[in-house]
Amino acid sequence: DIVMTQSPDSLAVSLGERATINCKSSQILYSSDNKSRLAWYQQKPGQPPKLLISWASTRESGVPDRFSGSGSATDFTLTISGLQPEDVAVYYCQQHYTIPLTFGGGTKVEIK
Amino acid sequence: EVQLVESGGGLVQPGGSLRLSCAASGFALSAYWMSWVRQAPGRGLEWVANTNSDGGQKYYSDSLKGRITISRDNAKNSLYLQMNSLRVDDTAVYYCATNAWEVLKVWGQGTLVTVSS
Repeated sequence: DIVMTQSPDSLAVSLGERATINCKSSQILYSSDNKSRLAWYQQKPGQPPKLLISWASTRESGVPDRFSGSGSATDFTLTISGLQPEDVAVYYCQQHYTIPLTFGGGTKVEIK
Repeated sequence: EVQLVESGGGLVQPGGSLRLSCAASGFALSAYWMSWVRQAPGRGLEWVANTNSDGGQKYYSDSLKGRITISRDNAKNSLYLQMNSLRVDDTAVYYCATNAWEVLKVWGQGTLVTVSS
């Protein structure tokens, strides 16, 4: 199975500042079209996860552009540029390269 | 509105069975692969099972294989998860989600399964 490792486990960021979350996979996530199969989800308390980004950097429709994904192969980053109060949540990465689908352990983002 | 609604969760004793349902509205379930994902209390996300659009292909987590069956009834726009020989560590919120290229796009609100004596 592909192991997904997120860091940090939690971070506190001031409003308007940048939050950076890292995700590392135990295997390369390139598909045959040279796209990386890595997704990011946001989960607020008491709610289901919400898809933010797939294919490492493709933002889902309606997701604010302060959320961006980058990286390739085995190392990926989710950046929130200008943290807003509504961004307080746990963020998960997930490889969508192969079954079994696997998730990172999550990163809790709070306001400093 | 595109929506998934899970039901069928509840309290069950160890060794018992439950059948979870996931009803789709606002779209045709038949167009999508579907997945079940679970989340134990205070824990992260764990993939459980996938099925293709006509239900002919099914894939399971190794940790649950042999105890669960994913199925679907496209005429009823519904997805199911039959869970047998339940254990205390199966306690979790179970979510259904649409699956496109293994990306989980639309999620239901989840149904809580509690396994306890």
